Amino acid sequence: DTEVTQTPKHLVMGMTNKKSLKCEQHMGHRAMYWYKQKAKKPPELMFVYSYEKLSINESVPSRFSPECPNSSLLNLHLHALQPEDSALYLCASSQVGEIGRRETQYFGPGTRLLVL
Amino acid sequence: AQSVAQPEDQVNVAEGNPLTVKCTYSVSGNPYLFWYVQYPNRGLQFLLKYITGDNLVKGSYGFEAEFNKSQTSFHLKKPSALVSDSALYFCAVTHRGGFKTIFGAGTRLFVKA
Repeated sequence: DTEVTQTPKHLVMGMTNKKSLKCEQHMGHRAMYWYKQKAKKPPELMFVYSYEKLSINESVPSRFSPECPNSSLLNLHLHALQPEDSALYLCASSQVGEIGRRETQYFGPGTRLLVL
Repeated sequence: AQSVAQPEDQVNVAEGNPLTVKCTYSVSGNPYLFWYVQYPNRGLQFLLKYITGDNLVKGSYGFEAEFNKSQTSFHLKKPSALVSDSALYFCAVTHRGGFKTIFGAGTRLFVKA
């Protein structure tokens, strides 16, 4: 199983709403990532979790709150977002431990978010 | 500053012809180099990577890439393009043992039948 799943596929929310994005993988990967991708642009790293602990936070606004409840699951909680936060949110995972293998990331299909 | 450059926004090629998508990088040390492909409304898919060893790396779907240290390049190639290869291609670099990946701006490949 080399699949990373993300739900929902699409999400429309108002600026006062609270919603969550979910990501799941069963490859035994212990590193998980959130990226934001605007149309026709490369992915921008937001957060990295390693062994369920937050390892990297790329100065993301606090209206985005990540959570890694277990080794297979990664959530992104959204609150009071702005229209400019509309984007494709990608989750990825990778191995941790063996250098030369950990750097390859496996991506989910993404959640397309529209903030009104 | 560390960076990855994909000098072409778009590459057009006829089906059956060879294709090249260019990538150059500027990073310290010995980075790991990757190519990812993104189809419309999909996540990124890993194509191939260079870690060490043979400069010619073979990957998925018949793609290959040539690492050239002196020119700091890692161009993606395929001997015979297919219409289904039409997609957005990203070159990326990661430091050895690191989690942080730097992506190029992307190159859109159009293969015409």
